[in-house]
Order: sequence, then C-alpha cells, then structure tokens
Amino acid sequence: AQSVSQHNHHVILSEAASLELGCNYSYGGTVNLFWYVQYPGQHLQLLLKYFSGDPLVKGIKGFEAEFIKSKFSFNLRKPSVQWSDTAEYFCAVRDQGGKLIFGQGTELSVKP
Amino acid sequence: DTAVSQTPKYLVTQMGNDKSIKCEQNLGHDTMYWYKQDSKKFLKIMFSYNNKELIINETVPNRFSPKSPDKAHLNLHINSLELGDSAVYFCASSHSHYEQYFGPGTRLTVT
Repeated sequence: AQSVSQHNHHVILSEAASLELGCNYSYGGTVNLFWYVQYPGQHLQLLLKYFSGDPLVKGIKGFEAEFIKSKFSFNLRKPSVQWSDTAEYFCAVRDQGGKLIFGQGTELSVKP
Repeated sequence: DTAVSQTPKYLVTQMGNDKSIKCEQNLGHDTMYWYKQDSKKFLKIMFSYNNKELIINETVPNRFSPKSPDKAHLNLHINSLELGDSAVYFCASSHSHYEQYFGPGTRLTVT
C-alpha cells in the first residue's frame, strides 16, 4: 500500500532561518504530490502541488518543493521563515484510486 | 462565499448517541470526501463520493454512514457513538482527482 513518511515530527526555527521539511513516498508509478498547511485551529490549505513537468514547484507564501523521482522525495523548502509560518505541514500523495494519503505531519514552530 | 462549509463546528455528545455532520461545497466539484484527524493530527480518508456515488470506502465501522443527496452535499451520520470517535472530521471536495479543498472541520467530543 502507498505510504508517505515525513522525517521530522517537530521542527523549531528562529525567524529568517531556512526551512526544509522532508517527505518520502513509497509508490513507484505516476504520482501527484501535495503539501498542505494547517494553521492552529484552522483547516488544511494547499501550499503547492506537483502533477507533471518542472520538478521544482513554487507555491504560496514563498514555499517551494522539489520532486526527485529517483529518491521518491518531495521536500518542502522556504529560504526565510516567519513567525506566521508556525503551523502543521502535511505532505500527501494521491494514489491511482484517487485517495489522498497523508504523512504524519510536521509541526513547525518559528520563534520570533 | 465559503467554498467548503461544515456544520456544526463543535459537537459534544455522550456515548451511545447518534449524530450527523453536514458538508456543503459551492465550488462545483464532482467529488467529495470525509477525513478523520486523530489527536496526533494524523489524517485518514474515510469515504469519497463522485457524482453522488460512493467510490472510496475505507475500513470504517458500519456505525458511520455517509449520504450524498446531491453533488454539493456530503453528510456523515454516526450511530452509537464511542469514545474513540472523538476527533476532528474534515470534509473536502475536488474536481475529479485534482487538488482537494478542505472544510473548517468539526471537532467531535464523545463523553
């Protein structure tokens, strides 16, 4: 079965630090990949997605992610985080049946 | 102009009761979903409907029954509530298999 693994459970950074959150998935076929963000007490919002084409995708709020097929990875990056980026981040892959499989989430805390 | 809305936002009830959560989307999407987010924030799909037809039905107790009266609505009815049902339930919608848009969630607490 398809699975998604996020390397870090909790990441703590100071403002202006660079961010990289790891995500690996298990399926070797064609995949659609997503990063969602959940701010405290709120619903999930789509940060960015990869369907095909350029493996470096840019999303909202300065986030980007790189799809590396050989490594089954889709890591999320941001060059300089802000306090307002404090949230839970979820990587997800859509399988061929249309199901969205989520990773366990990474809590990001940004210290002002 | 809320895209995906859910009611109620909070639901506190006793074990053994039956409750429903409603979901509506005004995005014109043809596919809707129910997810459960547990206390550790792990998200797992429960059901998915496409054009009012059930297409995904994960291993969920029979006490949970989704109903889709039309493409814009997907309700979740839960019978004989148990303590372990306490969670946040998210509704989502999408156009076919494209990105999913999530509702605000319903925090269910069973006492």
